[in-house]
Amino acid sequence: GNSVTQMEGPVTLSEEAFLTINCTYTATGYPSLFWYVQYPGEGLQLLLKATKADDKGSNKGFEATYRKETTSFHLEKGSVQVSDSAVYFCALSAYFQGAQKLVFGQGTRLTINP
Amino acid sequence: GAGVSQTPSNKVTEKGKYVELRCDPISGHTALYWYRQSLGQGPEFLIYFQGTGAADDSGLPNDRFFAVRPEGSVSTLKIQRTERGDSAVYLCASSPGHSNTEAFFGQGTRLTVV
Repeated sequence: GNSVTQMEGPVTLSEEAFLTINCTYTATGYPSLFWYVQYPGEGLQLLLKATKADDKGSNKGFEATYRKETTSFHLEKGSVQVSDSAVYFCALSAYFQGAQKLVFGQGTRLTINP
Repeated sequence: GAGVSQTPSNKVTEKGKYVELRCDPISGHTALYWYRQSLGQGPEFLIYFQGTGAADDSGLPNDRFFAVRPEGSVSTLKIQRTERGDSAVYLCASSPGHSNTEAFFGQGTRLTVV
């Protein structure tokens, strides 16, 4: 079946540090891949996505590249800010009867200290 | 409204009671999803509606859980004979229903069974 495994947290970094959160997946077929973010007190928001191999998704300085050969979709940011503190979820979609069915990883809590 | 609305935001109930959780999706979105997020975990799929019909209810844990969407808009997740293990955040999401489109999440209902 489909599954997502992501780096366990919590992760604590200083402002302006480089961030990597690892994500690997197992899937049949060719899923789309996503990173969702959950800021304190808010709902899940889509951060970025990639729909096919070698695509790079990017948003708000975050990037992730769909690597089919390593079944990975690692999240990176060159210089994190305090406002990036949140829980990050890697997810894949299994397309079924006209809509996405998302499978999530367990989440990684990120704290950025000033 | 502008986004997905879920009510109540918090619900505390006694073991054995019946609860209803409401989701009001984005206007015009034909696809609606329910997910359950336990503490420290990623969301897990429960059920998906396309219009009024449940296209995929494979994630419902047992027959105490049921969901409806009678007019293809608002959905209600119903839990009978609640158990302490049902305590979680219940998330609703909606999307236009076409392939590879973003699912928009509500802020969730935190259910606590005491």
